Amino acid sequence: DAGITQSPRHKVTETGTPVTLRCHQTENHRYMYWYRQDPGHGLRLIHYSYGVKDTDKGEVSDGYSVSRSKTEDFLLTLESATSSQTSVYFCAISPAGGGSGNTIYFGEGSWLTVV
Amino acid sequence: DQQVKQNSPSLSVQEGRISILNCDYTNSMFDYFLWYKKYPAEGPTFLISISSIKDKNEDGRFTVFLNKSAKHLSLHIVPSQPGDSAVYFCAASQYNNNDMRFGAGTRLTVKP
Repeated sequence: DAGITQSPRHKVTETGTPVTLRCHQTENHRYMYWYRQDPGHGLRLIHYSYGVKDTDKGEVSDGYSVSRSKTEDFLLTLESATSSQTSVYFCAISPAGGGSGNTIYFGEGSWLTVV
Repeated sequence: DQQVKQNSPSLSVQEGRISILNCDYTNSMFDYFLWYKKYPAEGPTFLISISSIKDKNEDGRFTVFLNKSAKHLSLHIVPSQPGDSAVYFCAASQYNNNDMRFGAGTRLTVKP
């Protein structure tokens, strides 16, 4: 295991409520990512971080914000959850970034249902 | 804009036979290609990768082939084992870009 803990692992929430997913790593890797997995789309990058307080948008960032105040923690927030954000969310980490074939390591996922 | 495509949602093979999973891409700037394997209720795990300067990379029972002119890669598993039953994601990355792109995945079932 890559030393990644996601919480909560399962959550059901109502439309319009805020939701925060937490990713905690024990590997001291510089890069952290949030992906979502949906049928027919595979994994899509939401946001990533390349250091404390340094973040950038991914392919599907609308409706999401992130924060990284410590090397080991990366938070994903849905300010006002919508049904289209029902998905499985994966945190990932990498020592050298995801470009040029560098491996990224995934957590076990957080299942979010917005009703 | 799906830059990485896996057109076969599922594949079923007999134990001991070869499994061939295919992947196509559209972005010629991709310089590295990876395969990830995912079991239910677990996160994806890295399986094998290939640089765009190579056309083949082998690791035990797993071989990845890259055809740059066709923008196509394939993963061969020989011999296939029941434990190989999982969803396989093809991924592509480019230099200095953290937005690794994934295909939709192919569910492989290996029957005993």
